[in-house]
Order: sequence, then structure tokens, then C-alpha cells
Amino acid sequence: KAGVTQTPRYLIKTRGQQVTLSCSPISGHRSVSWYQQTPGQGLQFLFEYFSETQRNKGNFPGRFSGRQFSNSRSEMNVSTLELGDSALYLCASSLFPSGGTDTQYFGPGTRLTVL
Amino acid sequence: AQSVTQLDSHVSVSEGTPVLLRCNYSSSYSPSLFWYVQHPNKGLQLLLKYTSAATLVKGINGFEAEFKKSETSFHLTKPSAHMSDAAEYFCVVSDMEYGNKLVFGAGTILRVKS
Repeated sequence: KAGVTQTPRYLIKTRGQQVTLSCSPISGHRSVSWYQQTPGQGLQFLFEYFSETQRNKGNFPGRFSGRQFSNSRSEMNVSTLELGDSALYLCASSLFPSGGTDTQYFGPGTRLTVL
Repeated sequence: AQSVTQLDSHVSVSEGTPVLLRCNYSSSYSPSLFWYVQHPNKGLQLLLKYTSAATLVKGINGFEAEFKKSETSFHLTKPSAHMSDAAEYFCVVSDMEYGNKLVFGAGTILRVKS
């Protein structure tokens, strides 16, 4: 089975622009979660989608948004980029929503640099 | 209170010696606990997970962890370190107190000396 794929792997943007990141979960997985990883804040939960519905949201401003499509693929969008948004964005998929015993499988991440 | 505390930001061991990465958690419910590993420029890989079954959990690559409720600890161990174990390790908790989302510790960087 193919793993979680994320595109693009690297992105360079300037302040004020917006960006869209994509995540394709493992086949059959219906839950997708997004995380931001920075040296200062570590790994922080952004949001989780299951069956096209947002189930959970972390403590991030409204500039961060996401969606999930009927084929379980997910996108996250960051508008009005700030320097502090530079980070590795990780996507994880699982069969069921988080909180149970199900394992989340992570993709390689998208490295976003904001100049 | 910090939900997950990894007690060491860096650990250095010699190849062939035991590894101990320490983790304490805070939870009002019955948590699920995980250890993930991240190699440079790679995503996160699950090493093992505790979900209220056996308190001693065996994972991949010879790693294991013991859930100790009285000490609120979930330390990761391996009897003999290998060079390929050099990576960053994350202790993770999930339970109702945190909205059932994964909450990550700050990470421990493991260095293995030859």
C-alpha cells in the first residue's frame, strides 16, 4: 500500500501571499489530520477531518483552514502568510477518527518557507 | 500543566549500550500513549503505542515502553543502540482531556556514538 503523500514537498512564498498544501491519505483511510512543526513550538495540531467534516481544531488563527474531499484527500490553506508560518506541515491519516486506538500514519511533510 | 514532558532534550549513547528516553504525561482519563520517531527530513514513524492493554509495550526495531500509571510515566527503552537509531523521538498522548487529538512532547534527540 502506498503511504501518505504530500505535495508539494517544498514551497517558498512571500509575506501576504496564500498557499495551498495537499495530502493524499493511505487508501481506505478516511481521517486526515494536519500538524505544524517548528523549532520553537514543536509539533502542534492544526485540524482533523473525517468524512469531509472537520472534527477537531487546534489553536490557530482563522488564516489556517482546510477541507476534505469525498475521496478523503485533504487540502489546507494558509492566507496572508506571515514569517512565523514558516514550518514543516505534516499530514497524517488513519482509518478512524483520532482518540481511539487507531494509529496515525504520517506523510513526509511540506516544508514552507515564507520570505 | 504540561500534558507531555520529555525529560531530556538530548541523549547521547554509545553503539551497543542501552537507550532510555524518558516521558511523563498528565491525564485525567485513560490515555493512549505513543512513541514516534523522526529521522532527518522524514515524516514521523510510529514505534509503539499503549492503549490500556498490557502495560509493557513492544514496538518495532527492538524498542519497548512501560506504562506506569502511579508514576505517570511512559519511558522508551532499547537494550542495545544501533547507529540507525539516531533520530528525534516524540512521546505523544491522546485522551478526552485533550479533545482526543494527539499532543506531542517537545522531542528528544538521540545521538549514537560509534
